[in-house]
Amino acid sequence: EVRLVQTGAEVKKPGDSLRISCEGSGYNFTNYWITWVRQVPGKGLEWMGRIDPTDSYTNYNPSFQGHVTISVDKSISTAFLQWTSLEASDTAMYYCARQEASFWASVWFDPWGQGTPVTVSS
Amino acid sequence: QSVLTQPPSASGTPGQRVSISCSGSSSNIEDNYVFWYQQLPGTAPKLLIYRNNQRPSGVPDRFSGSKSGTSASLAISGLRSEDEADYYCATWDDSVSGPQFGGGTKLTVL
Repeated sequence: EVRLVQTGAEVKKPGDSLRISCEGSGYNFTNYWITWVRQVPGKGLEWMGRIDPTDSYTNYNPSFQGHVTISVDKSISTAFLQWTSLEASDTAMYYCARQEASFWASVWFDPWGQGTPVTVSS
Repeated sequence: QSVLTQPPSASGTPGQRVSISCSGSSSNIEDNYVFWYQQLPGTAPKLLIYRNNQRPSGVPDRFSGSKSGTSASLAISGLRSEDEADYYCATWDDSVSGPQFGGGTKLTVL
C-alpha cells in the first residue's frame, strides 16, 4: 500500500523554528515528487512547493518562497517542510502528497498524507 | 483570492445529478489538464478526477469531469449522502509556473 505518514501536531510560539516531516512507503520514493499544500482553518487549499527526491530540485509558489524551505532525505524516504521564524499566520493544516513526476505541469497528487496541524500562538 | 473560480456551495437531493463549475483563463485551464479533489469532513483531500476526465481506480463512475475552453466542470450523478464534501478543482498555471486550486465548493446532500 502506498502511504505518506506525517509528523504529529505541533504547537509553537511566534519566532520559533519548526521542521515537519512526510515519510513515504510502498513505492519507489525517487520516482515521484513530493508536494506540500497548506489549508488555513476553514479555508481552501494552497500549493506551497514541491521537491524532486532524486536531486532535491525544488519549485516554490512565489507566495511562499523565502518563508519556507522544502528538503528531502531520500535515504529514509522522507521529505521535510521547514520554517526558521514562525508567524501566527502560519497556523494551518499542512499536507504532503505524492506528485506525478513524468509530466512537469501535472497536478496529480495521490495519495496525500494525513496532515500536520500547526498552531502558532503566544 | 484564487485564479480558479468555483461556486462556494452546491446542493442536491439523493439520486439527483449535480454539477460544479470551475472557471479559469488562458494561462491555466485552457492549455492545461484539470484535476478534481474531494475532501470529506476532517480528512485529507483525495484525487477524484485527473487529466480532465479520467477516474483513478476505485472512484465510482458516478463522478465525471469535463473541460471546454477556459472552464471545467465536475458532475456527480445518483447523488448519495456520502458525497457530502468539499470539492476543489486544480490545474497548472503558466503565469506562476505552478499548480493552482479553486476556492472549493461545499456540496450538501439535502
